[in-house]
Amino acid sequence: AQSVAQPEDQVNVAEGNPLTVKCTYSVSGNPYLFWYVQYPNRGLQFLLKYITGDNLVKGSYGFEAEFNKSQTSFHLKKPSALVSDSALYFCAVRDRAGGSYIPTFGRGTSLIVHP
Amino acid sequence: GAGVSQSPSNKVTEKGKDVELRCDPISGHTALYWYRQSLGQGLEFLIYFQGNSAPDKSGLPSDRFSAERTGGSVSTLTIQRTQQEDSAVYLCASSLGGTSGTVYEQYFGPGTRLTVT
Repeated sequence: AQSVAQPEDQVNVAEGNPLTVKCTYSVSGNPYLFWYVQYPNRGLQFLLKYITGDNLVKGSYGFEAEFNKSQTSFHLKKPSALVSDSALYFCAVRDRAGGSYIPTFGRGTSLIVHP
Repeated sequence: GAGVSQSPSNKVTEKGKDVELRCDPISGHTALYWYRQSLGQGLEFLIYFQGNSAPDKSGLPSDRFSAERTGGSVSTLTIQRTQQEDSAVYLCASSLGGTSGTVYEQYFGPGTRLTVT
């Protein structure tokens, strides 16, 4: 079975400060990990993914995420937040084992960047 | 280029009526997913289509829900005898692939907001 947790419903950060949105996962094998962003009244947009290799993954809009196998985490980060980054962020996991092509999504974290 | 489109964008229906939601995936995408998004509940997987294979219906919450995909392209999600708890945003996503060893991201449509009164 695969599952993902986003422990924070909301994250508040001041513009210009670094931001972190947390994600932890559980899989029986090794994971494929994804981050998506959802702006109001829009569908989800892909930000980045981890498949294999370098633990630090860089994605769209200056976001990056670090895969940590020992902590089963894949936290999303950005060095300097923008007000326009305010949105709902979803982490997703897919277990390599079992052959499923269906990712499991977290409940989402609302990021609010204050001017 | 054209993304995933869904129609209608909003649907208000009376309890007990049937509704059909449509999804047009990105051309060439062989995989198609339906999800349901309720406030504070994240994305709930409903059904997955891959090419000509039998769909994975493991997420459908009841036999009132069904979906089909014609010609490997357009998909329709049908909810029969709607209930108030069916009110949610229904999202469709498509992606390339489904072959082993390749991992593709999903492209989502804007969703259909369903309200059952």
